[in-house]
Amino acid sequence: GESVGLHLPTLSVQEGDNSIINCAYSNSASDYFIWYKQESGKGPQFIIDIRSNMDKRQGQRVTVLLNKTVKHLSLQIAATQPGDSAVYFCAANSGGGADGLTFGKGTHLIIQP
Amino acid sequence: SQTIHQWPATLVQPVGSPLSLECTVEGTSNPNLYWYRQAAGRGLQLLFYSVGIGQISSEVPQNLSASRPQDRQFILSSKKLLLSDSGFYLCAWSVDRWNYGYTFGSGTRLTVV
Repeated sequence: GESVGLHLPTLSVQEGDNSIINCAYSNSASDYFIWYKQESGKGPQFIIDIRSNMDKRQGQRVTVLLNKTVKHLSLQIAATQPGDSAVYFCAANSGGGADGLTFGKGTHLIIQP
Repeated sequence: SQTIHQWPATLVQPVGSPLSLECTVEGTSNPNLYWYRQAAGRGLQLLFYSVGIGQISSEVPQNLSASRPQDRQFILSSKKLLLSDSGFYLCAWSVDRWNYGYTFGSGTRLTVV
């Protein structure tokens, strides 16, 4: 099966700085990855995804990097704003296996004024 | 566009009472549907998923059951709630289980007292 984990349960950054949230996955066959943002009391919200044929994908103020060699995924948020304060989850598929998406436990991003 | 509705937003129920949480999806047909539970400070635990009407797969043994009476309706039930059933319940849908992100509802905060 797949296991997905984030490196830090909590990350504190200054407003305006860039944030980097990391995630590791275990299944080398995984070929689809997603980042979610969950604000307090709300459901997770899709941020950005990436497939294994890419190393990098950019969205609005966010970039996802995929390193398949070391099975590592990161989410970069540029110029962090107070509204970015939330828990961020990564998820990975099982690369054709029977399991669906596996979610990590989340990193709580705290924005310092 | 597709939307997912989940209700109620909050629920306080006594131990031993029944439970019914409802989720509906609009704007798509034959979605994959999911029920997740999220305990405080923990990740998403998959409870049930359904690939079609009347087709329910259970991921963990528990006091809960799920039903899919219509294509875009997914119901989470319990005959007798336990204190340990308290948590944040999330419904989600996807095009398939492996290659596309899951879209989550807004969640139901269940407190069993």
